[in-house]
Amino acid sequence: TQLLEQSPQFLSIQEGENLTVYCNSSSVFSSLQWYRQEPGEGPVLLVTVVTGGEVKKLKRLTFQFGDARKDSSLHITAAQPGDTGLYLCAGEGRCNFNKFYFGSGTKLNVKP
Amino acid sequence: EPEVTQTPSHQVTQMGQEVILRCVPISNHLYFYWYRQILGQKVEFLVSFYNNEISEKSEIFDDQFSVERPDGSNFTLKIRSTKLEDSAMYFCASSRDRGITYEQYFGPGTRLTVT
Repeated sequence: TQLLEQSPQFLSIQEGENLTVYCNSSSVFSSLQWYRQEPGEGPVLLVTVVTGGEVKKLKRLTFQFGDARKDSSLHITAAQPGDTGLYLCAGEGRCNFNKFYFGSGTKLNVKP
Repeated sequence: EPEVTQTPSHQVTQMGQEVILRCVPISNHLYFYWYRQILGQKVEFLVSFYNNEISEKSEIFDDQFSVERPDGSNFTLKIRSTKLEDSAMYFCASSRDRGITYEQYFGPGTRLTVT
């Protein structure tokens, strides 16, 4: 089993602040995905990163894959109340393609 | 916009009964997945399916579970003899490719309650 640890578990910030969520492991992953999940719904894919050191931007969200492909971060600039939700990272097994390991999530609350 | 659909949205069953959870993946997708999420816990991988056979499975996916693609559109998860601890949200997902273009789309889930 390849474990993914997300931190922080909970984050409550004011609108306009910046934040970073971390996803760490001692294992190497083939690819890593970030999702957002609303209560009672399925996760919605935000981004996939594949190459070590890769950086992807999605509007105010910046995703980075660690050089060794063991960790990733999600940075949100100027957070808005609409960013409130549960953010999940998921890694695809290095030797077990098509097998995915999810982190336990970061619950973000952005106050207006 | 194409989406993954799942039925039923909520299933209540008695311990020991068999249940079949149904999913219709996105039509041109080739890879299919089942996950479960026990209330308040992380999403857990159960199984992946490609080219009409299981590609990977987790330790959770024991002989109690089976998957099938009975026709060109449906993808099912069967739980043979349900236990109380099988109560969870079950998500189906599908993707067209792997690698750089990888995108996995999740369905809305089936909430399974075992009493």
